Amino acid sequence: QKEVEQNSGPLSVPEGAIASLNCTYSDRVSQSFFWYRQYSGKSPELIMSIYSNGDKEDGRFTAQLNKASQYVSLLIRDSQPSDSATYLCAVNNKRGGADGLTFGKGTHLIIQP
Amino acid sequence: KAGVTQTPRYLIKTRGQQVTLSCSPISGHRSVSWYQQTPGQGLQFLFEYFSETQRNKGNFPGRFSGRQFSNSRSEMNVSTLELGDSALYLCASSLEAVGSYNEQFFGPGTRLTVL
Repeated sequence: QKEVEQNSGPLSVPEGAIASLNCTYSDRVSQSFFWYRQYSGKSPELIMSIYSNGDKEDGRFTAQLNKASQYVSLLIRDSQPSDSATYLCAVNNKRGGADGLTFGKGTHLIIQP
Repeated sequence: KAGVTQTPRYLIKTRGQQVTLSCSPISGHRSVSWYQQTPGQGLQFLFEYFSETQRNKGNFPGRFSGRQFSNSRSEMNVSTLELGDSALYLCASSLEAVGSYNEQFFGPGTRLTVL
């Protein structure tokens, strides 16, 4: 059973629209959730972290967390071509009593000018 | 504040050789985690070091090892390289031990090619 699942895409969104990225996780005890952006050939860059149910906004980005349904999402408003990248969802969960981050395989987002 | 640095950025090795990669965390960060990224498997956790101790370990063979020094710098070593070890190796640092509310910041990575 995959621990963190994301639709691999590509997800194509017109410039200026809202891009919606989703992630589901299997471990109910997960407590913290992160979104990373990775451009081709580059390393992941932290965009958002969210720990409580509800929405968290930072500029054009909004992270949404629903622990009961075990999903976390990322909304990107006013999408720009520079937002084209792979977005990785990461979940902190405990394995054998120790903490660790588990990553999804990422969603490839394309913003069409 | 300088970010996470990794050296070397690129490496080409042949099967059977060993390799050592280095990572310097963000100043003041005490935890260093290592990940392997491949197109097929995505980002996979290798291990985490905190206060010079391995705190967590992923599901990788014993050929993969690491250590952390008193200044929080970390090295990882891969012995008896196999073709399948070709990957981007990423180091991530966090202020404290990876836990529920600690964010990790990645370095630029080391691209390892095994021929």
